[in-house]
Amino acid sequence: QKEVEQDPGPLSVPEGAIVSLNCTYSNSAFQYFMWYRQYSRKGPELLMYTYSSGNKEDGRFTAQVDKSSKYISLFIRDSQPSDSATYLCAMSDTGRRALTFGSGTRLQVQP
Amino acid sequence: EAQVTQNPRYLITVTGKKLTVTCSQNMNHEYMSWYRQDPGLGLRQIYYSMNVEVTDKGDVPEGYKVSRKEKRNFPLILESPSPNQTSLYFCASNGDTGELFFGEGSRLTVL
Repeated sequence: QKEVEQDPGPLSVPEGAIVSLNCTYSNSAFQYFMWYRQYSRKGPELLMYTYSSGNKEDGRFTAQVDKSSKYISLFIRDSQPSDSATYLCAMSDTGRRALTFGSGTRLQVQP
Repeated sequence: EAQVTQNPRYLITVTGKKLTVTCSQNMNHEYMSWYRQDPGLGLRQIYYSMNVEVTDKGDVPEGYKVSRKEKRNFPLILESPSPNQTSLYFCASNGDTGELFFGEGSRLTVL
């Protein structure tokens, strides 16, 4: 069993839809949770960074962490075609620098 | 502009022919790392470096070497490449905030 599980998709939604992306994990030591966005032929770039449980909002993006369920989510409101990319969850224990990544979910937002 | 630059971006080689993928960052970060990305497996850390002359193995170090003689550079060396090292490779660096900055990726094919 992988340490971090992420549905690979692809997930196809119409423009304007609310998108929900999720990861589950097994290591209870993880405390730092991140979402990266990766466009085709590019390196991943950081979207959201949260510590421990709770919610964090940044514009159209909201990250949720439920440590009791070992479950994290990324919500995208009013999705745009420019949001079409692969979304990778990543997490770390207290070290912060050694990240464990999910395999990524490919999102397509149709105009 | 904050950058992680890696070269070459694309490379086709043959089994056993030594190659080096270079990586350079301009953010004065102490921590640098190499990842490989494979379909269904996500990003897996190969090696990391906490500072000059300090390197350590990540999750999948077999068949790879690294060196850190200068703070800005962290080359990845494949002494005798094999077909199972065909992959997309990313160099990354991060500072105290924990955010990983990735290069654009190097797509390697070993025949």
